[in-house]
Amino acid sequence: TQLLKQSPQFLSIQEGENLTVYCNSSSVFSSLQWYRQEPGEGPVLLVTVVTGGEVKKLKRLTFQFGDARKDSSLHITAAQPGDTGLYLCAGVQGAQKLVFGQGTRLTINP
Amino acid sequence: DTEVTQTPKHLVMGMTNKKSLKCEQHMGHRAMYWYKQKAKKPPELMFVYSYEKLSINESVPSRFSPECPNSSLLNLHLHALQPEDSALYLCASSPIGQGLWEKLFFGSGTQLSVL
Repeated sequence: TQLLKQSPQFLSIQEGENLTVYCNSSSVFSSLQWYRQEPGEGPVLLVTVVTGGEVKKLKRLTFQFGDARKDSSLHITAAQPGDTGLYLCAGVQGAQKLVFGQGTRLTINP
Repeated sequence: DTEVTQTPKHLVMGMTNKKSLKCEQHMGHRAMYWYKQKAKKPPELMFVYSYEKLSINESVPSRFSPECPNSSLLNLHLHALQPEDSALYLCASSPIGQGLWEKLFFGSGTQLSVL
């Protein structure tokens, strides 16, 4: 059973297009993190959202935490080839452990 | 220094070998983690050390033996592994400010192949 479901699992788009990746759960999380991982490297933390309804921006990336703290989204504006990678959401329930979604593999074609 | 350094980057070992993976950080983080990541899958937690003590073992087989000699170092000793243990082994660290799991910094991993 996957606690955090990401969609889509794979996405291939052209440079300059916009996209949204979703991370959904039936459980409430105290915080949600988004990571990007490139081949042969470890995940790199992009952002942490902790408050329901919170929106954070990182250049062309916009992250939102759902009001009920059960879901999150990542929107990329004007995607560039450098955005290519595996995007992972990860949630913390109470003080238990960090649970990863299965990831969204994003390819931006020049 | 905001890096987590893992060595070696690649490792090939036979099923009867004994090897160790090493992880080092100098950010003053007091939580360190071992994760296993199979191809095209998310990382799976193996062990957590907080303040140099093992706090979480996710029912990992005893052929994997973690060790935290000091607050900067984390080792994973490997013995009698199976081919299905082939994976990317990731080390991570984090500050224990408001609790575990805040702001994990990952190393680049050790790509392990068991023959």
